[in-house]
Amino acid sequence: GAVVSQHPSWVICKSGTSVKIECRSLDFQATTMFWYRQFPKQSLMLMATSNEGSKATYEQGVEKDKFLINHASLTLSTLTVTSAHPEDSSFYICSARDVWSGVSTDTQYFGPGTRLTVL
Amino acid sequence: GESVGLHLPTLSVQEGDNSIINCAYSNSASDYFIWYKQESGKGPQFIIDIRSNMDKRQGQRVTVLLNKTVKHLSLQIAATQPGDSAVYFCAENGSSGSRLTFGEGTQLTVNP
Repeated sequence: GAVVSQHPSWVICKSGTSVKIECRSLDFQATTMFWYRQFPKQSLMLMATSNEGSKATYEQGVEKDKFLINHASLTLSTLTVTSAHPEDSSFYICSARDVWSGVSTDTQYFGPGTRLTVL
Repeated sequence: GESVGLHLPTLSVQEGDNSIINCAYSNSASDYFIWYKQESGKGPQFIIDIRSNMDKRQGQRVTVLLNKTVKHLSLQIAATQPGDSAVYFCAENGSSGSRLTFGEGTQLTVNP
């Protein structure tokens, strides 16, 4: 159980284009999903918290107009990197929290990540 | 501010030995801690968690110890195997509820 998928697993795009990354919880419902970015040899940095049916909460320094997040259902959140530039190249990882756990300190289950390369 | 750090960036052990990975946290309000394993090019994989009302929890070949007095967390892996080679992150929820703060990670290398 608690499987999270991401699509695509990797993407290469030209500078200035937009890229959409999907995050799905496959066997549970998730009211809350999280988007992280990870640069090589570094830890995970939280970008935003995605809540089903409401606006995402972005971390300080993350441009909400550049990283569009949509959480339209209890099993799907999308991250769109708009007008991507080479500095946006990174490993993007989502996680999801099981809605039925019932306590505030729920475990986050992570997707396999999406490698974005912007040329 | 909140921070979770690791004492050692790398750890090399022989196959069959026990491994101990350490983590220091600074937020005394943290009440939930998780250890994740991340293999190259993959997402973090849940290993084991512990709540602040416990000081020890055991899983299959893994044990997590929590010392709230000195704000220290450790992950012990028994009979380490080559497949255990990965980066290990500790994470804590701090005072923010569901948000997790990750440590810097420790690269564990298991030598055959």
